[in-house]
Amino acid sequence: GAVVSQHPSWVICKSGTSVKIECRSLDFQATTMFWYRQFPKQSLMLMATSNEGSKATYEQGVEKDKFLINHASLTLSTLTVTSAHPEDSSFYICSASKDSRGYEQYFGPGTRLTVT
Amino acid sequence: AQKVTQAQTEISVVEKEDVTLDCVYETRDTTYYLFWYKQPPSGELVFLIRRNSFDEQNEISGRYSWNFQKSTSSFNFTITASQVVDSAVYFCALSEQGAQKLVFGQGTRLTINP
Repeated sequence: GAVVSQHPSWVICKSGTSVKIECRSLDFQATTMFWYRQFPKQSLMLMATSNEGSKATYEQGVEKDKFLINHASLTLSTLTVTSAHPEDSSFYICSASKDSRGYEQYFGPGTRLTVT
Repeated sequence: AQKVTQAQTEISVVEKEDVTLDCVYETRDTTYYLFWYKQPPSGELVFLIRRNSFDEQNEISGRYSWNFQKSTSSFNFTITASQVVDSAVYFCALSEQGAQKLVFGQGTRLTINP
């Protein structure tokens, strides 16, 4: 159990367009979901934490107007990269937790975004 | 503030050698959790272990073992008799009680050569 999926697994978009990435917990209800970004050969950096039905909490330096996060249900969170630019190209990984503390996070397979 | 340091950026060994990946952490909390994850070339993170701050017992799981020492704020990971399939990037991570987030180290890229 505790499977998390992401869709799409990879996406290429043109500069200036928006792209939406979905994160779903398939066999459990996720009280909390997390979004991470990973640049090539670098570590995972937390972008934001979202609780179902609440506004996401963004980490310092992450533009909330650019990276829109919606956690509409206990099994779905979406990350929308608005007006994407080449510097937004990265590997985006979501994780989901059954509890609000996030002690045990189950990670999705990641989405590779390339902005041309 | 919480911080995780993995000083070894890259390690390369020959198959069947033992290898230890170092992890040093910083936290002001007395209650915290430590993790190790494996990230193969596919990119998907694979959970390996979680340890809470009150359990300093070493853990062994097959060829994998972990040494947790609070005195030196370290949580090292050893692979015994390494195999080519162990090649991946390994991340150590820390979560403080109530912090609701994981802080990852920089990762160690491990290459096992046949």
